[in-house]
Amino acid sequence: AQSVTQPDIHITVSEGASLELRCNYSYGATPYLFWYVQSPGQGLQLLLKYFSGDTLVQGIKGFEAEFKRSQSSFNLRKPSVHWSDAAEYFCAVGAGGTSYGKLTFGQGTILTVHP
Amino acid sequence: DVKVTQSSRYLVKRTGEKVFLECVQDMDHENMFWYRQDPGLGLRLIYFSYDVKMKEKGDIPEGYSVSREKKERFSLILESASTNQTSMYLCASSPDRVDLGTGELFFGEGSRLTVL
Repeated sequence: AQSVTQPDIHITVSEGASLELRCNYSYGATPYLFWYVQSPGQGLQLLLKYFSGDTLVQGIKGFEAEFKRSQSSFNLRKPSVHWSDAAEYFCAVGAGGTSYGKLTFGQGTILTVHP
Repeated sequence: DVKVTQSSRYLVKRTGEKVFLECVQDMDHENMFWYRQDPGLGLRLIYFSYDVKMKEKGDIPEGYSVSREKKERFSLILESASTNQTSMYLCASSPDRVDLGTGELFFGEGSRLTVL
């Protein structure tokens, strides 16, 4: 069975600082990996996804993530954080074939941005 | 834009009541999902459906049932609500399989249920 771990429950950064959110997955085959963001009172919005090919994936809002198979990781990065990035971030892994799009999510990381 | 609409943003129910959470998507997606979101636990899959009248259990189906009579509508039912079902419920839809590159989930804004 697939699983996702986000080791950091809460991260605080200053506006303009760089950001890295960690994600480790467990899956026996080629994983399909996602990062979603949830602003307060909202549903989840897709930031980026990895299916195959280039291991560095670019997403919306200036985010990127790097797939490292040897470390079973898919960490999310942003070079300069904006106050509007304060939200909860979820990493997810999906399976291929007849999984019908089921995703398994991590526990989430809450990002606080100080001015 | 894809729109997933959950009928109620906030509900307060009493223990033992029957609760219906409704979800409608407007993009003709094949797959629909109900997740439960709790602090520190992330999102956990309750049930999903890959076709009309088809349903599959997710990771935490106990105490819940679902109905999909029409392609665009997926309902979550709590037959007898209990206090441990107080949570945020998120509905999502997706057009296809994850490995075809189109497996992105589109989420509604959530329904926050409080059971007293």
